Amino acid sequence: DGGITQSPKYLFRKEGQNVTLSCEQNLNHDAMYWYRQDPGQGLRLIYYSQIVNDFQKGDIAEGYSVSREKKESFPLTVTSAQKNPTAFYLCASSSPGQGYYEQYFGPGTRLTVT
Amino acid sequence: SQQGEEDPQALSIQEGENATMNCSYKTSINNLQWYRQNSGRGLVHLILIRSNEREKHSGRLRVTLDTSKKSSSLLITASRAADTASYFCATDNWGNNNDMRFGAGTRLTVKP
Repeated sequence: DGGITQSPKYLFRKEGQNVTLSCEQNLNHDAMYWYRQDPGQGLRLIYYSQIVNDFQKGDIAEGYSVSREKKESFPLTVTSAQKNPTAFYLCASSSPGQGYYEQYFGPGTRLTVT
Repeated sequence: SQQGEEDPQALSIQEGENATMNCSYKTSINNLQWYRQNSGRGLVHLILIRSNEREKHSGRLRVTLDTSKKSSSLLITASRAADTASYFCATDNWGNNNDMRFGAGTRLTVKP
């Protein structure tokens, strides 16, 4: 089955701790994305990567970091500098063959920081 | 910042009725997309309409785009209980297809 996997589905952390969210895809897509979704709101772009070893900040990158060492993987680290990290995090990917238009989403990770 | 704004925020209809959701956006775009999200899940792409298109159909879905008014509508005909979900429009930010801006969504409830 081709698709995007995110793990874990639920994650709990204490305030002040860094936490890394996993995102893996086997769609052979070049581009990958991280979004944050708060209750009753749309998605906001955190970071995106068009190619291995390259990534760009989105609208709300402060307090987050990413790496793209492999085409298949785009982990997101939520650092202690993120003031309000509790949210639903979604990873997505897209293919340049489709002009990056359609994005394929993973099932999401719900992070709760107390 | 969010680009698209959906209207209404919530919509409740009976099975078999049509559902219409609207989206307004602010900047020039290359394309506009509609996505669906079931509660607590990822988004699923429904349909894309390019800036030079005015209407597009896919099964029970009909999308219109009016670039002069910077608005789009999504019509779901003959709705089913399984259509219950949140629906989001997304636009490229100033033509950057990697920087998609999503609205806050319309929460559709279809009662059996």
